[in-house]
Amino acid sequence: DAGVTQSPTHLIKTRGQQVTLRCSPKSGHDTVSWYQQALGQGPQFIFQYYEEEERQRGNFPDRFSGHQFPNYSSELNVNALLLGDSALYLCASSPAGGPYNEQFFGPGTRLTVL
Amino acid sequence: AQSVTQLGSHVSVSEGALVLLRCNYSSSVPPYLFWYVQYPNQGLQLLLKYTSAATLVKGINGFEAEFKKSETSFHLTKPSAHMSDAAEYFCAVSERTGNQFYFGTGTSLTVIP
Repeated sequence: DAGVTQSPTHLIKTRGQQVTLRCSPKSGHDTVSWYQQALGQGPQFIFQYYEEEERQRGNFPDRFSGHQFPNYSSELNVNALLLGDSALYLCASSPAGGPYNEQFFGPGTRLTVL
Repeated sequence: AQSVTQLGSHVSVSEGALVLLRCNYSSSVPPYLFWYVQYPNQGLQLLLKYTSAATLVKGINGFEAEFKKSETSFHLTKPSAHMSDAAEYFCAVSERTGNQFYFGTGTSLTVIP
């Protein structure tokens, strides 16, 4: 089992550009969550996808959008990048069933905005 | 919304000494509680979780945590620190009626030889 995989590993963009990050969940998981982890901070919840729909969203602007595909993989899109968007973006997957389920995290994508 | 407080952003212990990392949550309804560890340039790995079974939860690598409702706490302990325990530790909560994980700001553990 490959676990949760994310691509790319690192990414450098300039202000105003758009970026797409990708995530493949752990085998057997159908729920994908995205988090932003700024340097020295804990992960902040962006949103969660289940059955190709956004099920819950954290306190992030509409510049952050996502998608889940029929194979449960997911994308995170960020438009009009700001310097403050520089962070480690973590994808986590979990099986359906409830908030008591452990979330399995990928290694993250390090986004740098110049 | 939930909030999670981890007291002490940096903790240093000697190898073989007790490890105690503190976590307090804000909800009046006991949530589900988790401890994760993050090694440099890696994702988060689950150490243990509390989901309303036994209040003393045992996890991997000799770690355990005790849920105390009266104190709204879920502190992480390990009797004897090992050099390989040096990492960033995050406490997280998940509300029983939602799907969102709330993370604390993390505690960086240093183990002194």
